[in-house]
Amino acid sequence: GQSLEQPSEVTAVEGAIVQINCTYQTSGFYGLSWYQQHDGGAPTFLSYNALDGLEETGRFSSFLSRSDSYGYLLLQELQMKDSASYFCAVSSGGYQKVTFGTGTKLQVIP
Amino acid sequence: DVKVTQSSRYLVKRTGEKVFLECVQDMDHENMFWYRQDPGLGLRLIYFSYDVKMKEKGDIPEGYSVSREKKERFSLILESASTNQTSMYLCASSLRNKDEAFFGQGTRLTVV
Repeated sequence: GQSLEQPSEVTAVEGAIVQINCTYQTSGFYGLSWYQQHDGGAPTFLSYNALDGLEETGRFSSFLSRSDSYGYLLLQELQMKDSASYFCAVSSGGYQKVTFGTGTKLQVIP
Repeated sequence: DVKVTQSSRYLVKRTGEKVFLECVQDMDHENMFWYRQDPGLGLRLIYFSYDVKMKEKGDIPEGYSVSREKKERFSLILESASTNQTSMYLCASSLRNKDEAFFGQGTRLTVV
């Protein structure tokens, strides 16, 4: 089966940079995604990495190392609205089943 | 915009009842998913469907079954609801060769 590990909570200061790590174990790995979920809301897609390296989307970047089964989400210029839970997810298998981690609750403080 | 619609936002059922949770997507996505979300446990995959009438078990399929008779609709069935199935249920869909999954707003199910 699949397993993903990420820290349960992170606190960071407004304007700072924060990195949320994710390690995974899976067979038939296809790619690593990141999702954001605000309290009471549905998860929304942030980024995806299928190949090694860094993908940048505005203030958010995501990194993947397939050989290390490791990825991270980097959030820059933190804003209060970034306070949310962040989930890494692996796509695996021929039909790209998506399995999620347990989530990291990010609290941005003034 | 892609829309994934779950039939109920809140649901209260009695122990032993058969419960149907419905999910409809309007973007012709091949893949559809049912997850349950509990505090501290993240999103756990119950079942996954990659085509009409095709399904795969996820990590926690016990006590659940699914039905996908049409491409746009994916139903989650609790054969005999139990209190430990009280949870938030999230449906999602995606194109098979695309990276983004789209989620419905969730159904908060309480079994009493």
